[in-house]
Amino acid sequence: KAGVTQTPRYLIKTRGQQVTLSCSPISGHRSVSWYQQTPGQGLQFLFEYFSETQRNKGNFPGRFSGRQFSNSRSEMNVSTLELGDSALYLCASSLLSIAGTYNEQFFGPGTRLTVL
Amino acid sequence: DQQVKQNSPSLSVQEGRISILNCDYTNSMFDYFLWYKKYPAEGPTFLISISSIKDKNEDGRFTVFLNKSAKHLSLHIVPSQPGDSAVYFCAAYFGGGADGLTFGKGTHLIIQP
Repeated sequence: KAGVTQTPRYLIKTRGQQVTLSCSPISGHRSVSWYQQTPGQGLQFLFEYFSETQRNKGNFPGRFSGRQFSNSRSEMNVSTLELGDSALYLCASSLLSIAGTYNEQFFGPGTRLTVL
Repeated sequence: DQQVKQNSPSLSVQEGRISILNCDYTNSMFDYFLWYKKYPAEGPTFLISISSIKDKNEDGRFTVFLNKSAKHLSLHIVPSQPGDSAVYFCAAYFGGGADGLTFGKGTHLIIQP
């Protein structure tokens, strides 16, 4: 069974631009969560999508948004990029939503975003 | 304010010995705890978990201990092997919350031959 895939793996953008990252979950998984990893803050939860609906949202500004498609693939968008958005963005898939009851999450390799 | 803390950024252990990784948390509402292992250029992979109603869970060389009164959990790896060299993340989950997994900042475990 193929694992979680994320594209692109590396990305360089400049301040003020916007970026879209993509995540394909494990086949059959309907939940996709996004996390941001930085040296200073560690791994922080961004949001979760399940059945094309946002279920949970972490403490991030509205510049961070996402969506999920009917095939469970998810995209994350960051608008008006800031230097501090440079990070590793990880997505994790699980069979069911993690809202209410924990379901094991499987992580992708991440997208390394550098903002210049 | 960090709710999950791993106070040791790195830990060096000799091959064959016991590795003990520690994690403290502040939110008493957490009801599920996990350890993840991460190699460079890869996503975290699940290692072992423990529910808040238990105080110990074992899986092969890995044992997680939970002390709820002290809000502390630890991961024991016995015996330590070279392939165990990685960054280990402690994570916590609250079913009634909306924060997904709350992670510590990680401990880099180095197994020396």
